[in-house]
Amino acid sequence: QQQVKQSPQSLIVQKGGISIINCAYENTAFDYFPWYQQFPGKGPALLIAIRPDVSEKKEGRFTISFNKSAKQFSLHIMDSQPGDSATYFCAASYIPGTASKLTFGTGTRLQVTL
Amino acid sequence: EPEVTQTPSHQVTQMGQEVILRCVPISNHLYFYWYRQILGQKVEFLVSFYNNEISEKSEIFDDQFSVERPDGSNFTLKIRSTKLEDSAMYFCASSEARLAGVETQYFGPGTRLLVL
Repeated sequence: QQQVKQSPQSLIVQKGGISIINCAYENTAFDYFPWYQQFPGKGPALLIAIRPDVSEKKEGRFTISFNKSAKQFSLHIMDSQPGDSATYFCAASYIPGTASKLTFGTGTRLQVTL
Repeated sequence: EPEVTQTPSHQVTQMGQEVILRCVPISNHLYFYWYRQILGQKVEFLVSFYNNEISEKSEIFDDQFSVERPDGSNFTLKIRSTKLEDSAMYFCASSEARLAGVETQYFGPGTRLLVL
Protein backbone atom coordinates (compact mmCIF):
# COMPACT_ATOMS: atom_id res chain seq x y z
CA GLN A 1 0.00 0.00 0.00
CA GLN A 2 3.02 2.25 0.39
CA GLN A 3 4.15 1.77 -3.21
CA VAL A 4 4.29 4.41 -5.89
CA LYS A 5 4.28 2.94 -9.38
CA GLN A 6 5.98 4.88 -12.14
CA SER A 7 6.04 4.48 -15.90
CA PRO A 8 7.64 4.37 -18.35
CA GLN A 9 11.02 3.09 -17.20
CA SER A 10 12.74 4.99 -19.99
CA LEU A 11 11.66 7.60 -22.50
CA ILE A 12 13.24 9.07 -25.60
CA VAL A 13 11.83 12.37 -26.83
CA GLN A 14 12.94 14.65 -29.60
CA LYS A 15 13.98 18.18 -28.77
CA GLY A 16 10.89 20.37 -28.63
CA GLY A 17 8.59 17.47 -27.90
CA ILE A 18 6.47 16.74 -24.83
CA SER A 19 7.72 14.27 -22.23
CA ILE A 20 5.05 12.60 -20.12
CA ILE A 21 5.77 10.47 -17.05
CA ASN A 22 3.01 8.81 -15.07
CA CYS A 23 2.71 7.70 -11.47
CA ALA A 24 0.05 5.93 -9.47
CA TYR A 25 -0.31 5.45 -5.74
CA GLU A 26 -2.45 3.36 -3.44
CA ASN A 27 -2.22 4.99 -0.04
CA THR A 28 -4.96 7.62 0.19
CA ALA A 29 -3.19 9.15 3.18
CA PHE A 30 -0.54 10.59 0.85
CA ASP A 31 -1.03 14.34 0.66
CA TYR A 32 2.11 15.68 -0.97
CA PHE A 33 3.46 14.67 -4.36
CA PRO A 34 6.85 16.00 -5.45
CA TRP A 35 8.84 15.24 -8.55
CA TYR A 36 12.60 15.00 -8.30
CA GLN A 37 15.17 15.29 -11.06
CA GLN A 38 18.45 13.42 -10.75
CA PHE A 39 21.54 13.79 -12.91
CA PRO A 40 24.20 11.05 -12.89
CA GLY A 41 26.31 11.13 -9.76
CA LYS A 42 24.13 13.75 -8.09
CA GLY A 43 21.44 13.74 -5.46
CA PRO A 44 17.77 14.14 -6.35
CA ALA A 45 16.67 17.76 -6.68
CA LEU A 46 13.10 18.94 -6.25
CA LEU A 47 11.59 19.94 -9.55
CA ILE A 48 7.93 20.65 -8.80
CA ALA A 49 5.37 19.46 -6.27
CA ILE A 50 1.62 19.38 -5.80
CA ARG A 51 -0.89 18.85 -3.05
CA PRO A 52 -4.17 16.99 -3.72
CA ASP A 53 -6.36 20.07 -3.32
CA VAL A 54 -5.43 21.21 -6.85
CA SER A 55 -5.62 19.30 -10.13
CA GLU A 56 -2.76 20.99 -11.92
CA LYS A 57 0.35 22.97 -11.16
CA LYS A 58 2.58 24.61 -13.73
CA GLU A 59 6.06 26.00 -13.33
CA GLY A 60 7.67 27.10 -16.55
CA ARG A 61 7.86 24.12 -18.91
CA PHE A 62 6.95 21.65 -16.15
CA THR A 63 3.35 20.76 -15.27
CA ILE A 64 1.96 18.27 -12.78
CA SER A 65 -1.51 16.92 -13.48
CA PHE A 66 -3.23 15.29 -10.52
CA ASN A 67 -6.26 12.99 -10.56
CA LYS A 68 -7.28 12.33 -6.97
CA SER A 69 -10.11 9.91 -7.77
CA ALA A 70 -7.85 7.77 -9.94
CA LYS A 71 -4.93 8.14 -7.54
CA GLN A 72 -2.67 9.13 -10.39
CA PHE A 73 -0.41 12.04 -11.18
CA SER A 74 1.83 12.87 -14.07
CA LEU A 75 4.67 15.15 -15.07
CA HIS A 76 4.58 16.90 -18.41
CA ILE A 77 7.71 18.55 -19.76
CA MET A 78 6.85 20.88 -22.60
CA ASP A 79 9.39 21.85 -25.26
CA SER A 80 11.79 19.20 -23.95
CA GLN A 81 15.46 20.15 -24.18
CA PRO A 82 18.66 18.06 -24.20
CA GLY A 83 19.46 19.55 -20.79
CA ASP A 84 16.32 17.85 -19.44
CA SER A 85 17.97 14.47 -20.00
CA ALA A 86 18.03 12.97 -16.52
CA THR A 87 16.22 10.47 -14.33
CA TYR A 88 12.91 11.65 -12.94
CA PHE A 89 11.37 10.26 -9.78
CA CYS A 90 7.87 10.83 -8.58
CA ALA A 91 7.37 10.60 -4.85
CA ALA A 92 4.66 10.82 -2.26
CA SER A 93 4.51 11.54 1.41
CA TYR A 94 2.10 12.16 4.23
CA ILE A 95 2.64 13.89 7.49
CA PRO A 96 1.79 11.60 10.37
CA GLY A 97 3.40 13.70 13.04
CA THR A 98 6.90 14.98 13.07
CA ALA A 99 8.61 13.97 9.86
CA SER A 100 7.41 12.72 6.52
CA LYS A 101 9.38 10.13 4.61
CA LEU A 102 9.28 10.22 0.84
CA THR A 103 8.17 7.09 -0.98
CA PHE A 104 9.76 7.17 -4.41
CA GLY A 105 8.69 5.67 -7.69
CA THR A 106 11.10 3.51 -9.63
CA GLY A 107 12.32 6.36 -11.84
CA THR A 108 12.15 7.26 -15.52
CA ARG A 109 15.30 7.79 -17.50
CA LEU A 110 14.55 10.57 -20.00
CA GLN A 111 16.71 11.16 -23.03
CA VAL A 112 16.03 14.19 -25.19
CA THR A 113 17.57 13.88 -28.61
CA LEU A 114 18.51 16.64 -31.02
CA GLU B 1 22.23 29.02 -1.91
CA PRO B 2 22.42 26.77 1.14
CA GLU B 3 22.97 23.13 0.41
CA VAL B 4 23.30 19.80 2.14
CA THR B 5 26.86 18.50 2.10
CA GLN B 6 28.06 14.94 2.59
CA THR B 7 31.43 13.35 3.25
CA PRO B 8 33.11 11.30 2.03
CA SER B 9 31.93 11.26 -1.57
CA HIS B 10 33.20 7.69 -1.95
CA GLN B 11 33.96 5.03 0.66
CA VAL B 12 35.35 1.57 0.06
CA THR B 13 35.34 -0.82 2.99
CA GLN B 14 35.77 -4.49 3.77
CA MET B 15 32.78 -6.57 4.77
CA GLY B 16 32.32 -6.52 8.53
CA GLN B 17 33.95 -3.14 9.00
CA GLU B 18 32.21 -0.13 10.53
CA VAL B 19 31.58 2.97 8.44
CA ILE B 20 30.35 6.41 9.37
CA LEU B 21 28.78 8.61 6.74
CA ARG B 22 28.63 12.30 7.52
CA CYS B 23 26.19 14.99 6.53
CA VAL B 24 25.87 18.68 7.23
CA PRO B 25 22.21 19.64 6.75
CA ILE B 26 21.05 23.13 5.85
CA SER B 27 21.51 25.21 8.97
CA ASN B 28 17.94 26.18 9.90
CA HIS B 29 16.42 22.82 9.03
CA LEU B 30 14.78 20.70 11.69
CA TYR B 31 14.07 17.38 10.00
CA PHE B 32 16.79 15.04 8.82
CA TYR B 33 16.70 11.93 6.70
CA TRP B 34 18.85 9.19 5.28
CA TYR B 35 17.94 7.44 2.06
CA ARG B 36 19.84 4.95 -0.03
CA GLN B 37 19.86 4.09 -3.71
CA ILE B 38 21.23 0.80 -4.93
CA LEU B 39 22.74 1.24 -8.38
CA GLY B 40 20.02 1.62 -10.99
CA GLN B 41 17.19 1.32 -8.51
CA LYS B 42 14.86 3.70 -6.77
CA VAL B 43 15.64 5.84 -3.77
CA GLU B 44 14.62 4.12 -0.54
CA PHE B 45 13.89 5.69 2.83
CA LEU B 46 16.04 4.57 5.73
CA VAL B 47 15.35 6.81 8.70
CA SER B 48 14.01 10.19 9.75
CA PHE B 49 15.23 12.21 12.71
CA TYR B 50 13.69 15.13 14.55
CA ASN B 51 14.29 16.75 17.91
CA ASN B 52 17.28 14.49 18.57
CA GLU B 53 15.44 11.25 18.14
CA ILE B 54 14.40 8.86 15.42
CA SER B 55 10.92 9.64 14.10
CA GLU B 56 10.54 6.70 11.79
CA LYS B 57 12.71 3.95 10.34
CA SER B 58 12.26 1.45 7.56
CA GLU B 59 12.74 -2.30 7.70
CA ILE B 60 16.15 -1.77 6.09
CA PHE B 61 17.30 0.20 9.14
CA ASP B 62 18.07 -2.73 11.40
CA ASP B 63 20.28 -2.95 14.50
CA GLN B 64 23.42 -2.53 12.38
CA PHE B 65 22.42 1.05 11.58
CA SER B 66 22.39 4.06 13.87
CA VAL B 67 22.11 7.81 13.46
CA GLU B 68 23.38 10.65 15.54
CA ARG B 69 23.48 14.41 15.58
CA PRO B 70 26.56 14.79 17.73
CA ASP B 71 27.15 18.53 17.69
CA GLY B 72 24.10 20.38 16.41
CA SER B 73 25.41 20.65 12.86
CA ASN B 74 26.53 17.20 11.71
CA PHE B 75 24.19 14.29 11.13
CA THR B 76 25.80 10.88 10.86
CA LEU B 77 24.80 7.41 9.72
CA LYS B 78 26.80 4.53 11.17
CA ILE B 79 26.78 1.02 9.83
CA ARG B 80 28.35 -1.20 12.47
CA SER B 81 29.24 -4.28 10.47
CA THR B 82 28.89 -3.73 6.76
CA LYS B 83 27.53 -6.36 4.41
CA LEU B 84 27.96 -6.70 0.67
CA GLU B 85 24.34 -5.67 0.18
CA ASP B 86 24.99 -2.36 1.94
CA SER B 87 26.79 -1.20 -1.20
CA ALA B 88 24.75 1.75 -2.43
CA MET B 89 24.62 5.51 -2.72
CA TYR B 90 23.54 7.02 0.58
CA PHE B 91 21.77 10.35 0.52
CA CYS B 92 21.22 12.70 3.42
CA ALA B 93 18.28 15.09 3.22
CA SER B 94 16.95 17.86 5.39
CA SER B 95 13.87 20.06 5.55
CA GLU B 96 12.72 23.04 7.51
CA ALA B 97 9.50 23.44 9.43
CA ARG B 98 6.44 22.42 7.51
CA LEU B 99 4.64 25.32 5.82
CA ALA B 100 1.05 24.94 4.60
CA GLY B 101 1.43 21.18 4.48
CA VAL B 102 4.49 21.35 2.27
CA GLU B 103 7.82 19.96 3.35
CA THR B 104 10.56 20.24 0.76
CA GLN B 105 13.41 17.84 1.36
CA TYR B 106 16.78 18.93 0.06
CA PHE B 107 19.18 16.16 -0.80
CA GLY B 108 22.93 16.08 -0.53
CA PRO B 109 25.17 14.79 -3.33
CA GLY B 110 25.47 11.38 -1.72
CA THR B 111 28.18 9.02 -0.50
CA ARG B 112 28.89 6.05 -2.68
CA LEU B 113 29.63 3.10 -0.40
CA LEU B 114 31.26 0.00 -1.80
CA VAL B 115 31.58 -3.04 0.46
CA LEU B 116 34.08 -5.65 -0.71
